[in-house]
Amino acid sequence: EVHLVETGGGLIQPGGSLRLSCAVSGFTVSSNYMSWVRQAPGKGLEWVSIIYSGGGTFYADSVKGRFTISRDDSKNTLYLQMNSLRVEDTAVYYCAKRNSANWHHDYWGQGTLVSVSS
Amino acid sequence: QSALTQPPSASGSPGQSVTISCTGTSNDVGGYGYNYVSWYQQHPGKVPKLMIYEVSKRPSGVPDRFSGSKSGNTASLTVSGLQAEDEADYYCSSYADSDKLIFGGGTKLTVL
Repeated sequence: EVHLVETGGGLIQPGGSLRLSCAVSGFTVSSNYMSWVRQAPGKGLEWVSIIYSGGGTFYADSVKGRFTISRDDSKNTLYLQMNSLRVEDTAVYYCAKRNSANWHHDYWGQGTLVSVSS
Repeated sequence: QSALTQPPSASGSPGQSVTISCTGTSNDVGGYGYNYVSWYQQHPGKVPKLMIYEVSKRPSGVPDRFSGSKSGNTASLTVSGLQAEDEADYYCSSYADSDKLIFGGGTKLTVL
């Protein structure tokens, strides 16, 4: 059975840093394409970043240069390092598995809330 | 990259059909050879659930009351035989250029 469990969210001041983790069971992170998707309170979904099985990474313009996606193959865990956080980064952050042949995401974690506020 | 355009709300009575549109551009929804439109259902406080992928395919377990289509730069999700449990937010998504994904703003479906 597939499980994705995000941790690491919390309250952080603007300009601060936070690292989110997504522990995966049921499939191998390094063999799959993994995304982070966020949802601001009361708002819609926003794709944030993706890491491919080959290690390539891509980012939404809104987070490029501030966020870094990575993975630890030994721990089967996905990460999102978030630096220079802004109030507008406040959201629930979901990790999700992307289908390798298409751009749909078939498995999602339960999400972790990041609140950026002074 | 701007979000795909969805109507903020849609509604229908039980048993009726409702269609939700999702309008993009030739760089995403209408891209040549692109069949990368997906639809997600999200109940309040819950995780998004994949309902349609590759424009019109249903994952295992999704009722055939849900169907998808695309014409030009606009994709559509149709829910037939509306049921109370279909009341939720629905989001479309599409591949956009340069290895990016964009979502629609979401449509709140109300079953009257």
